[in-house]
Amino acid sequence: EPEVTQTPSHQVTQMGQEVILRCVPISNHLYFYWYRQILGQKVEFLVSFYNNEISEKSEIFDDQFSVERPDGSNFTLKIRSTKLEDSAMYFCASSEQPSSGNTIYFGEGSWLTVV
Amino acid sequence: GENVEQHPSTLSVQEGDSAVIKCTYSDSASNYFPWYKQELGKRPQLIIDIRSNVGEKKDQRIAVTLNKTAKHFSLHITETQPEDSAVYFCAASIVGGSQGNLIFGKGTKLSVKP
Repeated sequence: EPEVTQTPSHQVTQMGQEVILRCVPISNHLYFYWYRQILGQKVEFLVSFYNNEISEKSEIFDDQFSVERPDGSNFTLKIRSTKLEDSAMYFCASSEQPSSGNTIYFGEGSWLTVV
Repeated sequence: GENVEQHPSTLSVQEGDSAVIKCTYSDSASNYFPWYKQELGKRPQLIIDIRSNVGEKKDQRIAVTLNKTAKHFSLHITETQPEDSAVYFCAASIVGGSQGNLIFGKGTKLSVKP
């Protein structure tokens, strides 16, 4: 069964450093998402991406965050200057066009620790 | 924007008993309601979903009901087994156009005691 894959699985970074989290969505999916889950808390929406542009973003997704689809397969989340409170599990997800039912499939997550 | 409330936050049942988790949503435009199961350290995995044109959906031991008027939906697990122990999240979204992002509830930690 096709899966969303994410790298790295775990990254430790110093406060103020830039991090890039990478994702390969399911190949025939057109909508891509990033979600965040702080330890022990709920999954929170960050951003959705369609047709090479952001379609929606939450208030969490401020100017320090950016997303990019640099080629035909990868979808990246960049955090420009990490803060301690950015420590969380970041899930990439993808879905077919919403009109087909919008089942969203999650990757295994990238655990980011900011020290 | 959409807000999803989920109750209870923890639920402990004996193996074989039923478990019910309830969610309410605020945006009447929401029309898609999935339930995800998340085991410790793993990704959320879709277990069942329901769309607003349906009142109930069942898949073996799992069922979901939706009351559009009251804006609430529930997950029912019958004949619970220890492997059902996990955190369950409800979510809501608006399907169509460029939208479709999920707004999650806070989760319910289900413990099934053998």
